[in-house]
Amino acid sequence: EDQVTQSPEALRLQEGESSSLNCSYTVSGLRGLFWYRQDPGKGPEFLFTLYSAGEEKEKERLKATLTKKESFLHITAPKPEDSATYLCAVRPNSGGYQKVTFGIGTKLQVIP
Amino acid sequence: DGGITQSPKYLFRKEGQNVTLSCEQNLNHDAMYWYRQDPGQGLRLIYYSQIVNDFQKGDIAEGYSVSREKKESFPLTVTSAQKNPTAFYLCASSYRDRFSYEQYFGPGTRLTVT
Repeated sequence: EDQVTQSPEALRLQEGESSSLNCSYTVSGLRGLFWYRQDPGKGPEFLFTLYSAGEEKEKERLKATLTKKESFLHITAPKPEDSATYLCAVRPNSGGYQKVTFGIGTKLQVIP
Repeated sequence: DGGITQSPKYLFRKEGQNVTLSCEQNLNHDAMYWYRQDPGQGLRLIYYSQIVNDFQKGDIAEGYSVSREKKESFPLTVTSAQKNPTAFYLCASSYRDRFSYEQYFGPGTRLTVT
């Protein structure tokens, strides 16, 4: 069974204090790993797709990296507007296009 | 602008009543999905559809029903048979026949049943 574990569950940072969120996964062959941002009471907003170990993608202060067992979302010099829950999800090679497993998320709070 | 809309944003119902949640997309995506989000749990798949007039059960389909009469629309009915219907419901869509399958989500509907 595919599994996604995100850590920490919650993270509190001072504005400008860089850090990383972790997504550990177990999947029978990875087709893609997805990162989303979710604000309270809203739907998840797509950020990145990573396909293979060693791949990196960046968007503003966010950088996502991928290894064979985990992915990191690095946040450089965060601002209060980066406060949100960040979700990780994986799609395996087999099982159909609908088979995506989501983690519970990391709730990030950036304090001014 | 392309996107996914869900309505209403908030919905209140009494036990024993069926309720239908709306989901529309103009992204020209073939596949559409319904998820349920509860505190402390990852998103759980209720139903999905890859083509008009065809849909399949997800992991937690009991007490729910869907239809797909148009490519753009995928409404979800929460029936009185659903034992714990209070939750945040998310609709999503994606391409089906491309390498990249990232799903795009709507704003969600919060359903409260008392």
